Amino acid sequence: AQSVTQLGSHVSVSEGALVLLRCNYSSSVPPYLFWYVQYPNQGLQLLLKYTTGATLVKGINGFEAEFKKSETSFHLTKPSAHMSDAAEYFCAVSGDSGGSNYKLTFGKGTLLTVNP
Amino acid sequence: ETGVTQSPTHLIKTRGQQVTLRCSSQSGHNTVSWYQQALGQGPQFIFQYYREEENGRGNFPPRFSGLQFPNYSSELNVNALELDDSALYLCASSPGLWTGANVLTFGAGSRLTVL
Repeated sequence: AQSVTQLGSHVSVSEGALVLLRCNYSSSVPPYLFWYVQYPNQGLQLLLKYTTGATLVKGINGFEAEFKKSETSFHLTKPSAHMSDAAEYFCAVSGDSGGSNYKLTFGKGTLLTVNP
Repeated sequence: ETGVTQSPTHLIKTRGQQVTLRCSSQSGHNTVSWYQQALGQGPQFIFQYYREEENGRGNFPPRFSGLQFPNYSSELNVNALELDDSALYLCASSPGLWTGANVLTFGAGSRLTVL
């Protein structure tokens, strides 16, 4: 079974400040990890993903995340927040297709607000 | 290329009724997945269809059912609606059989309110 824990349901930062959204996962198989963003009244948009290879993954809009196996973490960061980054962010995990794993398992989400 | 489109965008039903939600997958995508997103929660996997057959199912009762058509569009049907079925229903498509590393392209969702 897989699960995702996002620490902090709401994170507030000032414009220009560092954004750090935390995600920890559990998985019985090598994980594939994803960050999605959801703007109001819209679907989910992929920010970045880790499957294999380099553990520091760069995504769209200046976001990046680092896969740390020893800490079972995949935290999302952005050096300088922009007003347009205000949205809800979801971390998700899946695994190798062996067995009956057909899905993404999502965390509960973190709402990011950016203050001027 | 067109993305994933869902209809209707909003609908209101009463307890006990039945609802059908529709999804057109992104061009070239033959796998469709459905997720339920309750208010304040992350999306939860309902089921997945690949080439018109159910390819995996989450922890949802049988009154949640689906179909995939030859053009890879899909329907989600929910019978005997309950208040807890109120949620945003998201459809997502991806190319090829699920490998775990697939990127899902999500639609904007259908928001169902059950009174």
